[in-house]
Amino acid sequence: LAKTTQPISMDSYEGQEVNITCSHNNIATNDYITWYQQFPSQGPRFIIQGYKTKVTNEVASLFIPADRKSSTLSLPRVSLSDTAVYYCLVGDDGGTASKLTFGTGTRLQVTL
Amino acid sequence: NAGVTQTPKFQVLKTGQSMTLQCAQDMNHNSMYWYRQDPGMGLRLIYYSASEGTTDKGEVPNGYNVSRLNKREFSLRLESAAPSQTSVYFCASSARPDRGGSPLHFGNGTRLTVT
Repeated sequence: LAKTTQPISMDSYEGQEVNITCSHNNIATNDYITWYQQFPSQGPRFIIQGYKTKVTNEVASLFIPADRKSSTLSLPRVSLSDTAVYYCLVGDDGGTASKLTFGTGTRLQVTL
Repeated sequence: NAGVTQTPKFQVLKTGQSMTLQCAQDMNHNSMYWYRQDPGMGLRLIYYSASEGTTDKGEVPNGYNVSRLNKREFSLRLESAAPSQTSVYFCASSARPDRGGSPLHFGNGTRLTVT
């Protein structure tokens, strides 16, 4: 199983850039790295996905080094509404199907 | 386009009672999943269905059964509820099950309390 390790929590002020790093040392060759955001009382929501190098969308950027053993989610200029739990997920092929498992997540608190 | 719909939203059971949590998706996805999330914890996979007609165990399958009724629907059954099953249950779907390349789409959860 491709286990992930993330910081348990992070604090930031509004307007700052936030970088959350996820470690996944035994990632498999064809695994993707996906990040999700979860607000209280809601299901997780897809943010961004990548395989290697850098991916950017309207919400975030994802940086993946060449060895792919870690990845960094970058949130530019966070606001109070970015306060949430962020999960790093690495695809795991259990044979013919994928047992997609979540780590513990990083609780981001944004304050004024 | 509703995405993933879960029913009921809330449920209270007594120990030993049974119930079925329903999940339906309208995105024509092949794979569906059931997760549970305990307070302050991450999500743990209970069961998943890679495609219609197949189901398999996840991390924490004990005390649960599932049925992939058709491509749209995937139900989770608790035959004899226990207090340890008090949790929020999330259903999710993805276009395909391979190596995480296909993002998960989640419902808004069923909050279950077993007394």
